[in-house]
Amino acid sequence: QVQLQQSGAELVKPGTSVKLSCKASGYTFTSNHMNWIKQTTGQGLEWIGIINPGSGGTSYNVKFKGKATLTVDKSSSTAFMQLSSLTPEDSAVYYCARSDNYPEGFAYWGQGTLVTVSS
Amino acid sequence: DVVMTQTPVSLSVSLGGQVSISCRSSQSLVHNNGNTYLSWYLQKPGQSPQLLIYKVSNRFSGISDRFSGSGSGTDFTLKISRVEPDDLGVYYCGQGTQYPMYTFGAGTKLELK
Repeated sequence: QVQLQQSGAELVKPGTSVKLSCKASGYTFTSNHMNWIKQTTGQGLEWIGIINPGSGGTSYNVKFKGKATLTVDKSSSTAFMQLSSLTPEDSAVYYCARSDNYPEGFAYWGQGTLVTVSS
Repeated sequence: DVVMTQTPVSLSVSLGGQVSISCRSSQSLVHNNGNTYLSWYLQKPGQSPQLLIYKVSNRFSGISDRFSGSGSGTDFTLKISRVEPDDLGVYYCGQGTQYPMYTFGAGTKLELK
């Protein structure tokens, strides 16, 4: 069965970067696009961007350009998202989510990674 | 960006009852290819969101037929019949017509009366 296993919670300092991972299993990793989504209490769900694991091609929400960088490692079926120049506003739960026929929706989600930015 | 507005913010229901949730978009969600990319998700307490409905009215694999989606253009509705305890949580609509950009509504919390 399809599983997306995300890395554990992070407590990071303002101004630093963090790299989150999402390991896929149960399907051919390069067959489906992977998305990243931010959830906060105040802003709800925000789509960050999408990556094609086969080609490495990406598209980003304008709001997150320069903040998020999406990459993949095909050899380990893992997607990554690096967040840079962190501020307290970046504190959130981040999900990876597979889209089967983008943009029809996000069919499978990881369990989420809580990122807390605090000095 | 397309703004998605959900109403109500919260609603209470009795087990076995029926509820409707509304989602309105700031622009038509009909794509040039004729498809309407409106989806519904449920986030149960402590869990990740799960896809219920895609392209307005198509139930995702394994989703009960108690869930039904309808609508067109800018106005959409999710109906839940014979509400069960496992249906409680926050419901979100989302649009992908402006892809690659994707936007979500703010959510509707379904609680027990």
